[in-house]
Amino acid sequence: AQSVAQPEDQVNVAEGNPLTVKCTYSVSGNPYLFWYVQYPNRGLQFLLKYITGDNLVKGSYGFEAEFNKSQTSFHLKKPSALVSDSALYFCAVRGDTGRRALTFGSGTRLQVQP
Amino acid sequence: DGGITQSPKYLFRKEGQNVTLSCEQNLNHDAMYWYRQDPGQGLRLIYYSQIVNDFQKGDIAEGYSVSREKKESFPLTVTSAQKNPTAFYLCASTASGRGTDNTQYFGPGTRLTVL
Repeated sequence: AQSVAQPEDQVNVAEGNPLTVKCTYSVSGNPYLFWYVQYPNRGLQFLLKYITGDNLVKGSYGFEAEFNKSQTSFHLKKPSALVSDSALYFCAVRGDTGRRALTFGSGTRLQVQP
Repeated sequence: DGGITQSPKYLFRKEGQNVTLSCEQNLNHDAMYWYRQDPGQGLRLIYYSQIVNDFQKGDIAEGYSVSREKKESFPLTVTSAQKNPTAFYLCASTASGRGTDNTQYFGPGTRLTVL
């Protein structure tokens, strides 16, 4: 079975400061890892993914994530937070075989204060 | 959200009624998915379909049914057997096969409320 843990329900950061949203996972085989963002009453928007290759993945809106195989982590980062980054962030995983549906974490609410 | 439409945006249902949520995609994706989102629980998989005329139960299929008669369409029926149907429902799709984009793209969602 595959699983995702997002240990923080909420992350608070001041505008202009770096931010990190944590994610750890468990999956059989090689992981396909994703980050999505959700604004109120909207669907999920894709931010970035790791399938293979460079462990540092760059995505939309200045976000990046680092794949760490030994720690089974895929933390989302941004060097300088914006108030408009305030939203709900989801990490998701699936294996490279078997069921292709994603397993999602419970989400982390990011609050960026001006 | 582009390429995947869900309707209606808001839906109200009386207890004991079945309702059908629509999901259509014009991305030529083979695979489609239905998720349910409840506060603080992330998304849970209800049903998925890898190809037309075939679908599989997800983790919380009880009280739901689907069909996949066309590649573009994957409607979800919430039956009266679903004990707690009030939630936000999200449809997603992805290309499948070797060498394709593995990203799941989501529709804007339908908020179902049982009165």
